[in-house]
Amino acid sequence: AQSVAQPEDQVNVAEGNPLTVKCTYSVSGNPYLFWYVQYPNRGLQFLLKYITGDNLVKGSYGFEAEFNKSQTSFHLKKPSALVSDSALYFCAVSSQGGGYQKVTFGTGTKLQVIP
Amino acid sequence: DAGVTQSPTHLIKTRGQHVTLRCSPISGHKSVSWYQQVLGQGPQFIFQYYEKEERGRGNFPDRFSARQFPNYSSELNVNALLLGDSALYLCASSSQGGLAKNIQYFGAGTRLSVL
Repeated sequence: AQSVAQPEDQVNVAEGNPLTVKCTYSVSGNPYLFWYVQYPNRGLQFLLKYITGDNLVKGSYGFEAEFNKSQTSFHLKKPSALVSDSALYFCAVSSQGGGYQKVTFGTGTKLQVIP
Repeated sequence: DAGVTQSPTHLIKTRGQHVTLRCSPISGHKSVSWYQQVLGQGPQFIFQYYEKEERGRGNFPDRFSARQFPNYSSELNVNALLLGDSALYLCASSSQGGLAKNIQYFGAGTRLSVL
């Protein structure tokens, strides 16, 4: 079975400081990894994904994530946080296999950027 | 272009009743997935439909069913509602059938409250 762990329920960071939202995963085979963001009363919006290739993935709104196979991690990062980045962030994992594969989401991390 | 649309936005039902939730995917998308998001949790996969056929099912009881219509819109039906069915129900569409690698585009969800 595949799983995702987001160890921090909430991350607080000052505006302008770098931010990191942590994610570790467990999956059989090669992982496909995603980050989605959810604003209040909205659905999830795609930020970035890792399928294969370069371990550093760049996504929307200045976010990036680094795939680390040995640590089974896919942490989300941004060099300079904005107040508008405050939202709920979900890491998700799937894997290549027979048939159609489902995506497993983590429990989410609330990011609070303090002005 | 219209995104994924879901209706209704909010719904209040009592235990034992039946509910139907509706979803229209992004134009051209043939895959629709349904997720249940309980407060404080990540989305849990319920169903995926592609080209009007069920392609995946999560760990939900038979009270949950779904279908996809020729225009690729979809309905999620829940019978004999329980208090624990109270959640945000998200619909996501994708251009491809396999969920493993592909970006999913989410609607804003239907908030179901069971009293």
